[in-house]
Amino acid sequence: DAMVIQNPRYQVTQFGKPVTLSCSQTLNHNVMYWYQQKSSQAPKLLFHYYDKDFNNEADTPDNFQSRRPNTSFCFLDIRSPGLGDAAMYLCATSRTGAGNEQFFGPGTRLTVL
Amino acid sequence: ILNVEQSPQSLHVQEGDSTNFTCSFPSSNFYALHWYRWETAKSPEALFVMTLNGDEKKKGRISATLNTKEGYSYLYIKGSQPEDSATYLCAFADTGRRALTFGSGTRLQVQP
Repeated sequence: DAMVIQNPRYQVTQFGKPVTLSCSQTLNHNVMYWYQQKSSQAPKLLFHYYDKDFNNEADTPDNFQSRRPNTSFCFLDIRSPGLGDAAMYLCATSRTGAGNEQFFGPGTRLTVL
Repeated sequence: ILNVEQSPQSLHVQEGDSTNFTCSFPSSNFYALHWYRWETAKSPEALFVMTLNGDEKKKGRISATLNTKEGYSYLYIKGSQPEDSATYLCAFADTGRRALTFGSGTRLQVQP
């Protein structure tokens, strides 16, 4: 089945220790998104790629970086995680832009100790 | 900053009850309105993508309406079942940004 896969499902890191979350898709979609969701809040868009074009949200901290080496994979790098970065991180894809439904992975729950 | 509000925040209903939730969004520069269902420990799943004022969409017992002029959408569930228990998220996109801004969701619990 075509899908969006996120690894790992749960990630524990230490304060200040870099961490990378990964997302892969078999849908061959052009757009890939990273969202951050803190408990019971709205998922917040961090950035998205339209093909290779990177679009950073204005309020995404510099501590968050992303890479998309090919159509299938997208990575979220948190360079120096702080306690406030503990959250659920959701990856999503869509065929084109916001007029199309988004397909989500199950998320990675990040804990920062 | 776009404001997308959902109400109520949470809802407990009995099996068989019909229910509805509201999503409010800016009434200018409308592009699209999405509804997603997010069950615990699963991936959020698209229910509807609505782009036209007056749109009504239906999937089984779930339906949605859209009023872009006044900036609201309703999601209806007819005859709620325990498997409908989930968080229902709406998300809005405007013509300028064309990225989704999500509401914080309505958490529905259906008691058997």
